[in-house]
Amino acid sequence: GAVVSQHPSRVICKSGTSVKIECRSLDFQATTMFWYRQFPKQSLMLMATSNEGSKATYEQGVEKDKFLINHASLTLSTLTVTSAHPEDSSFYICSAPRGQGAVGKKLFFGSGTQLSVL
Amino acid sequence: GQNIDQPTEMTATEGAIVQINCTYQTSGFNGLFWYQQHAGEAPTFLSYNVLDGLEEKGRFSSFLSRSKGYSYLLLKELQMKDSASYLCAVTGGSYIPTFGRGTSLIVHP
Repeated sequence: GAVVSQHPSRVICKSGTSVKIECRSLDFQATTMFWYRQFPKQSLMLMATSNEGSKATYEQGVEKDKFLINHASLTLSTLTVTSAHPEDSSFYICSAPRGQGAVGKKLFFGSGTQLSVL
Repeated sequence: GQNIDQPTEMTATEGAIVQINCTYQTSGFNGLFWYQQHAGEAPTFLSYNVLDGLEEKGRFSSFLSRSKGYSYLLLKELQMKDSASYLCAVTGGSYIPTFGRGTSLIVHP
């Protein structure tokens, strides 16, 4: 069964609205979670690393004020796309590493959220 | 920085064998992953290699050569359901993997 839960799976919204996406680790604690964005036929691009109890680390070119990340607990991270515009339409996927030590941790992915901004 | 290269698209026949190659250049190396991703779905883990050699898991095998910066994913007895995108991902100095663009595999009857 799924070890990482993500919802909603699909969102259609009007331009200018904010959208919140939740990512939960189901049977393990995740002090770190990753948020990726994927455009059609493109690979996963890391947007930010979500850290429980501290600020998220954003990749170069990702707007911190637009993509708000909150790691509220050891099992929950949220990504809020603020004032969404059509160019933000994409497939957003969260993931959490699970395993022993820092090396060889497998990434388990949520089911993804398809965001369509009209 | 990290650079990962894999073919964009491959086609194969049901029942055949296909090899998907991945070459990489990284600063540091902590392992290479292969993931399968069907359209509109999240990636699922297939394999992990950190030492040189071949790892076999059922119909899927993955090979790594660290000195050559090279890996391949071998799929045997292809089935129609194997049509998907296959992502090569490398962990460099940290354990955060960087993904290649993915190889879209089309299996036809």
